[in-house]
Amino acid sequence: GDSVTQMEGPVTLSEEAFLTINCTYTATGYPSLFWYVQYPGEGLQLLLKATKADDKGSNKGFEATYRKETTSFHLEKGSVQVSDSAVYFCALMLIGANNLFFGTGTRLTVIP
Amino acid sequence: NAGVMQNPRHLVRRRGQEARLRCSPMKGHSHVYWYRQLPEEGLKFMVYLQKENIIDESGMPKERFSAEFPKEGPSILRIQQVVRGDSAAYFCASSQQGGLNTEAFFGQGTRLTVV
Repeated sequence: GDSVTQMEGPVTLSEEAFLTINCTYTATGYPSLFWYVQYPGEGLQLLLKATKADDKGSNKGFEATYRKETTSFHLEKGSVQVSDSAVYFCALMLIGANNLFFGTGTRLTVIP
Repeated sequence: NAGVMQNPRHLVRRRGQEARLRCSPMKGHSHVYWYRQLPEEGLKFMVYLQKENIIDESGMPKERFSAEFPKEGPSILRIQQVVRGDSAAYFCASSQQGGLNTEAFFGQGTRLTVV
């Protein structure tokens, strides 16, 4: 079935470190891929998305590239800040579907 | 423009009681989605509603769970005769339109604990 597997956390990094959170997917069709972020005490917010192979989504210094050959959508940021501390969710949506499939979430803590 | 509002934020129920979770979508949004997050798992889709209509309930348990989105007022997720396994975080999302190209905005969630 359709599913998303993402890197288990928690992840703790020092400020200005490089971040990678791995995400791979299994899908019967050609999904669109998303990263959502949940800051403490808030709801999930869309961080970035990519709708077809080789697309790169980017926002707030974060990037992720839709890799069809490796069925991956890894999240990266070159230099994290304390304010990036949050839970990050990878998700997919199939064409014509009404819902998102989510990964389990990865908690990131950035220390000064 | 207020975001998606869910209440209560935390709800404690004894086994056998009913739980009612409310979701007020963003202004101008007529599409509502409910998701459940069990401990150590990702969010799982439950149901998709437009005003007064259930569009997709493929993720809803067949018994004890129901959802509505009336013409006036918030969307309600209702769980009858709760059991310990219903303990989870329940998230609501809303969008202006349905489908892939419309961003869904999520609420802060309701954390249900069944004791």
